[in-house]
Amino acid sequence: SYVLTQSPSVSVAPGKTAHISCGGDNIGTKSVHWYQQKPGQAPVLVIYYDSDRPSGIPERFSGSNSGNTATLTISRVEVGDEADYYCQIWDSTTDHWVFGGGTNLAVL
Amino acid sequence: EVQLLESGGGLVQPGGSLRLSCTASGFTFNYAMSWVRQAPGKGLEWVSVITDTGGGAYYADSVKGRFTISRDNSKNTLYLHMSSLRVDDTAVYYCTKGMPARLAVFFDKWGPGTLVAVSS
Repeated sequence: SYVLTQSPSVSVAPGKTAHISCGGDNIGTKSVHWYQQKPGQAPVLVIYYDSDRPSGIPERFSGSNSGNTATLTISRVEVGDEADYYCQIWDSTTDHWVFGGGTNLAVL
Repeated sequence: EVQLLESGGGLVQPGGSLRLSCTASGFTFNYAMSWVRQAPGKGLEWVSVITDTGGGAYYADSVKGRFTISRDNSKNTLYLHMSSLRVDDTAVYYCTKGMPARLAVFFDKWGPGTLVAVSS
């Protein structure tokens, strides 16, 4: 089955840029979606189809996908961006939906 | 406003059964829907997807043969019938709305979740 690999944690200073990666075999050929989950809350979709933003998500959130890595980029990071971030794909060959293990973003 | 509200969670013994419900409002209920779970302190795990008409259902290997997803479009309600429950099924179960409509590729709305605890 398809595996998505994320680093467990990323740290960034307020106002800087955070890059959260999601690795997978030829992931660039798949559509990647990203979710933000704050403690005690349900996940929220922040990026879909690699780089599209749902309404209400700040322009500071962007995404890219190429080769074996997809990346969620958060510009001008705020304390309120502290959360777990999950990448997700639909594996059409197996009709399975796969989540990465999640990355905890700490804003120090 | 799209709202999803899960119910039916609780404490159940290993080997037991439970049915979760998810009531949807704020949108026309002709979208693929899904259940995603999260064990305590762990990451997200996809459980099951059902297509917009209910004609197709897909399951994670960990629950196939034990869980059944269904929907009643006349009641705007999604269900998850869980049987032969195991301790490792303990998790918060989230109801999610899929996009695109027919077969979810991603999940654009999530309910607050309902806790299922499997323990003797």
